[in-house]
Amino acid sequence: DAKTTQPTSMDCAEGRAANLPCNHSTISGNEYVYWYRQIHSQGPQYIIHGLKNNETNEMASLIITEDRKSSTLILPHATLRDTAVYYCIVRAPSGNTPLVFGKGTRLSVIA
Amino acid sequence: EPEVTQTPSHQVTQMGQEVILRCVPISNHLYFYWYRQILGQKVEFLVSFYNNEISEKSEIFDDQFSVERPDGSNFTLKIRSTKLEDSAMYFCASSLLSGGLTDTQYFGPGTRLTVL
Repeated sequence: DAKTTQPTSMDCAEGRAANLPCNHSTISGNEYVYWYRQIHSQGPQYIIHGLKNNETNEMASLIITEDRKSSTLILPHATLRDTAVYYCIVRAPSGNTPLVFGKGTRLSVIA
Repeated sequence: EPEVTQTPSHQVTQMGQEVILRCVPISNHLYFYWYRQILGQKVEFLVSFYNNEISEKSEIFDDQFSVERPDGSNFTLKIRSTKLEDSAMYFCASSLLSGGLTDTQYFGPGTRLTVL
């Protein structure tokens, strides 16, 4: 089973920041937090991952709390194309550890 | 940007028939995976493959399933005798490295398998 808890759905106005929370209170010290998204029935798309520090790339920012028990994915300026299911996944660092997907958060970006 | 490709995009088959789903992982990647997603359900891990052998498999991956890397580029999933419940989206993924370092899995667009 997934080790994360996410809200089932969220709405966000186009052009505003989308903040997607994730709880992972049982995360171990060496486990990473990964975020993927899935648009319609397309293949999951990698967004970002982190261990302790906040991370930013061209798609999003990841804020991890100091105790690592929760994190927030931030899409700074949401567009209609960001409408998708967003998955927060906790994963051990050993090479081929499978990804365990939960139900994710369905983000709807509204014009 | 390199990407994982999969063929066909949609496969329709009769129950009991064999199907082969094909994937071309990202060229310098070393680990390969298959996942599936039944309509309306979660994405589920099936199998991982490294150095020409299965690394890990889930309980879903029974004797009806097999994987192969027949040449330097393709990675295939075979279902020997399809059942109605095999109808799903099948996603291939690949990742670059292993050995104690986290690595990122990149997914293909998927093959929709419909078993009639």
